[in-house]
Amino acid sequence: EAQVTQNPRYLITVTGKKLTVTCSQNMNHEYMSWYRQDPGLGLRQIYYSMNVEVTDKGDVPEGYKVSRKEKRNFPLILESPSPNQTSLYFCASLGTLYNEQYFGPGTRLTVT
Amino acid sequence: ILNVEQSPQSLHVQEGDSTNFTCSFPSSNFYALHWYRWETAKSPEALFVMTLNGDEKKKGRISATLNTKEGYSYLYIKGSQPEDSATYLCASQYNFNKFYFGSGTKLNVKP
Repeated sequence: EAQVTQNPRYLITVTGKKLTVTCSQNMNHEYMSWYRQDPGLGLRQIYYSMNVEVTDKGDVPEGYKVSRKEKRNFPLILESPSPNQTSLYFCASLGTLYNEQYFGPGTRLTVT
Repeated sequence: ILNVEQSPQSLHVQEGDSTNFTCSFPSSNFYALHWYRWETAKSPEALFVMTLNGDEKKKGRISATLNTKEGYSYLYIKGSQPEDSATYLCASQYNFNKFYFGSGTKLNVKP
């Protein structure tokens, strides 16, 4: 089954404690992206990757890092999380044939 | 940051009503317009991807149109059913790699 997986699904952590949210897709897509969703706002793009070792900033990259060492994986790293990073995070991959974006199940992060 | 706007923010209709939503977006460097259906506690699911001015797409009772010259897209649902209740998101894609989402239209269909 074609899918994008994320882990963990829920995470409560404290300010300053480094964390990683993993994202993996099994569709051999080159393009992957991370979004955050906050109440009253649309999904906002954090980082995207066009291919292995090719990443670039979206609109809200501050406080986040990403890496793309393998095509299927695109982890999101928060080196020193702060309460304003409390949000719902989605990873997505984009198929080039029909240009459809596939979303993971989401990770709800709370930083206290 | 580009502004993608959706209206209305929310909509309450009776089962059997037909309804439509609007998505407006900047036209410069436009690549494609995406519509998604997003149910509570699930992830957004792609409905349509449209690229050309005048594009029309249809899937069952749901259809969409695109006007890239004036920067808007309409999503239509004919004969709404309770299972159509969800938030409908539009996203405008620029230069292939950048996506800008509207804040969504929340549809509630009463039986």
